[in-house]
Amino acid sequence: EAQVTQNPRYLITVTGKKLTVTCSQNMNHEYMSWYRQDPGLGLRQIYYSMNVEVTDKGDVPEGYKVSRKEKRNFPLILESPSPNQTSLYFCASSYSGRAIQETQYFGPGTRLLVL
Amino acid sequence: AQSVSQHNHHVILSEAASLELGCNYSYGGTVNLFWYVQYPGQHLQLLLKYFSGDPLVKGIKGFEAEFIKSKFSFNLRKPSVQWSDTAEYFCAVNAGGFKTIFGAGTRLFVKA
Repeated sequence: EAQVTQNPRYLITVTGKKLTVTCSQNMNHEYMSWYRQDPGLGLRQIYYSMNVEVTDKGDVPEGYKVSRKEKRNFPLILESPSPNQTSLYFCASSYSGRAIQETQYFGPGTRLLVL
Repeated sequence: AQSVSQHNHHVILSEAASLELGCNYSYGGTVNLFWYVQYPGQHLQLLLKYFSGDPLVKGIKGFEAEFIKSKFSFNLRKPSVQWSDTAEYFCAVNAGGFKTIFGAGTRLFVKA
């Protein structure tokens, strides 16, 4: 089954404790992206990746890091989480990202609470 | 900068009522437009999209949307909603490049 998976689905942590949220897709997509969803603000893009070893900042990259060492995986790293990063995070992928009519496929979301 | 505006944050309807959710975007060039839906506890999925041709687009589950270029709008419609349409709906715009801009979302609650 074609899908985007994220782990963990729920996470409670404390300020400053490094964490990683994994994202994996099995559709051989080149493009992957991370969003955060906050009430009243919709989805805002954090980082995206056009292919292996190619990443770029989205609209709200501060406090986050990403890497793309393999095509299927795109982990989101919070080196020193803060309470304002409490949010619902979605990973998404699409075939190439270049064709502007491409549909993005979303993962199930990771709900993060930073105390 | 591109932006997407969804007029209503919350909408409450009774079953069988008609639905129209507003979406306006700011960008003067060629755009692709999307509506995504997020059912309670589920991830976002595509409802419909427009990239060229007939400005009236039909999607899944009886939804449709009309692209009106002169008004920079892409409103979502459904003639008769069901309880199962309770969800959050997101309008999104891609004007080229690798970024898709999402609106703030509209939460629809349908009373049985």
